Amino acid sequence: DAKTTQPPSMDCAEGRAANLPCNHSTISGNEYVYWYRQIHSQGPQYIIHGLKNNETNEMASLIITEDRKSSTLILPHATLRDTAVYYCIVRVETSGSRLTFGEGTQLTVNP
Amino acid sequence: DVKVTQSSRYLVKRTGEKVFLECVQDMDHENMFWYRQDPGLGLRLIYFSYDVKMKEKGDIPEGYSVSREKKERFSLILESASTNQTSMYLCASSLWDRTTYEQYFGPGTRLTVT
Repeated sequence: DAKTTQPPSMDCAEGRAANLPCNHSTISGNEYVYWYRQIHSQGPQYIIHGLKNNETNEMASLIITEDRKSSTLILPHATLRDTAVYYCIVRVETSGSRLTFGEGTQLTVNP
Repeated sequence: DVKVTQSSRYLVKRTGEKVFLECVQDMDHENMFWYRQDPGLGLRLIYFSYDVKMKEKGDIPEGYSVSREKKERFSLILESASTNQTSMYLCASSLWDRTTYEQYFGPGTRLTVT
């Protein structure tokens, strides 16, 4: 699975959009981009995933560049409860449901 | 609402003890996983199971074993606990679905071995 690079930490004001970047320059054509988050003292939580088209659900939007070498997770109106570590994961669909979590980005939403 | 539960949130055991960590999911998922999470090392896969009585080694299986006698339950066993097994242990489950590998995680068990 391709390696990802994320900034270690970011800050965002409550009510503003939080844009979390992820670089995955060695991604292959059959690898998906997944985003999870982990709120302190809880297990990770799935947010969204995509292959090459932009995706949106009730939690967030995922923007994948045309060359697929990077992506951005967007939380449109961040709240204090969005403070968490956000993980960007790239994986092949056939690798048996295994997820490899890196260090992620600690997002802190400030009042 | 989907749910993965783990038997304990906090556990303290002594070196050499046999430790059982239990995980139960109510979503009829085929796949179940055990991870450990340590600062600076992220989540690392210990074992996973894709069916009853089936198991596969993950990245760090040494010192651990697992048991899956029923579809909803996946147990992690530390045969003889050691201090380097002090960690946060996370269980997860997912459907066997080639298009979506969304994993649902439990709240975690923080194990301290003294």
